[in-house]
Amino acid sequence: EVQLVESGGGVIRPGGSLRLSCAASGFTFDDHGMSWVRQVPGKGLEWVCGINWNGGSRNCIDSVKGRFTISRDNAKNSLDLQMNSLRVEDTALYHCVRGLRGIDSWGQGAPVTVSS
Amino acid sequence: DVVMTQSPLSLPVTVGQPASISCRSNQNLVSSDGDTYLNWFQQRPGQSPRRLIYKVSNRDSGVPERFSGSGSGTDFTLRISRVEAEDVGLYYCMQGTHWPPTFGQGTKLEIK
Repeated sequence: EVQLVESGGGVIRPGGSLRLSCAASGFTFDDHGMSWVRQVPGKGLEWVCGINWNGGSRNCIDSVKGRFTISRDNAKNSLDLQMNSLRVEDTALYHCVRGLRGIDSWGQGAPVTVSS
Repeated sequence: DVVMTQSPLSLPVTVGQPASISCRSNQNLVSSDGDTYLNWFQQRPGQSPRRLIYKVSNRDSGVPERFSGSGSGTDFTLRISRVEAEDVGLYYCMQGTHWPPTFGQGTKLEIK
């Protein structure tokens, strides 16, 4: 069974940094691209960043480029999202997901609250 | 970015009746590899999303046969042949053909 477990969420002031991690199990991790998708409570879903199977290709949406960095460690079956210069509008539940074009598994999410 | 527009945004349905959700994109979703990366997700209250349909019409393992997807190009539909109480929740379409992947606003299905 595919399992994706996020950690590292929390409350942070604007301008601060957080690092989210995702522990993956139940599948061959380096066979898959991975992404982070966020959801604002009561609102919709927004794909944030994605990375291919070996980390050689990675991309993020414009609103977080230069602030967020996605990375992976295939030896540890882990996916990370380093978030710097956080803004109030980055407040959301951040899901670790398997896939890029065709997301097929979701973690429960790590809550991130950016507030002064 | 590709804009995905769902309708209706609210869908009250009687148990046992059919339901249909439309998803339209402002760009053609046929990829250069010939596939159409249009997915449907269900999000039950308090849960993470779960994929129901991938590449327009392929049902994921374990998804009841009452769920079906259809469409092409820019116009897609998710159909539920007979709604059950457990189908309550939010439904999202998502395109993965163009970068970045984008989602529809979501359709809230509720039981009348």
